[in-house]
Amino acid sequence: QSALTQPASVSGSPGQSITISCTGTSSDVGYFNLVSWYQQHPGKAPKVIIYEGTKRPSGVSSRFSGSKSGITASLTISGLQVDDEADYYCCSYAGSTTHVAFGGGTKVTVL
Amino acid sequence: HLQLQESGPGLVKPSETLSLTCTVSGDSLSTRSYYWGWIRQPPGKGLEWIGTVYYNGDTYYNPSLGSRVTMSLDTSKNQFFLKLTSVTAADTSAYYCVRHAAMISGGFDCWGQGTLVTVSP
Repeated sequence: QSALTQPASVSGSPGQSITISCTGTSSDVGYFNLVSWYQQHPGKAPKVIIYEGTKRPSGVSSRFSGSKSGITASLTISGLQVDDEADYYCCSYAGSTTHVAFGGGTKVTVL
Repeated sequence: HLQLQESGPGLVKPSETLSLTCTVSGDSLSTRSYYWGWIRQPPGKGLEWIGTVYYNGDTYYNPSLGSRVTMSLDTSKNQFFLKLTSVTAADTSAYYCVRHAAMISGGFDCWGQGTLVTVSP
């Protein structure tokens, strides 16, 4: 059982926007502005696409955006493309005891 | 250009010790700017952080793995290591070595390609 809760799957048509939620607790997502999001294509290593809740690494499309409200972080993919079909994981720093919490992952399907 | 590369046995017997090495190129393990960690992923399942080691040898482990995990580093070889004792089939996973800043502030910003370790008699 993962520490952070994500929907198992989300789907959308090309060009649409979708949002993936990531619910934690007041000890991780709710306390720290340190949520990161990862995209993983089949057979590949994950790649960070959002860090510190809202920031994009160099080279990551502006179609990916992050936000947070209370204990829930969200990843929005706008202008959905076929190549966005992948698994997405959220992660939060969780303090000096637990350290790191991951979500269980969300499979994004482009219809 | 930073690269991380995992190496080690692909098959480990139950109750034995899993040992993996991550070789880093393009950055120095002696830097105080980054931490070095391991993340695993069972086939078809999600990501699990295993632990992290800092340049001075300080370590941070996933509490769920208890005392089975040991991490260390050799700055002269620019390598860091993972040992997981008393393995069972549940430890069968792809194991990734990663880099991150303090408090995962920049995310896990560099990953190795991963190595699959199977626990089987």
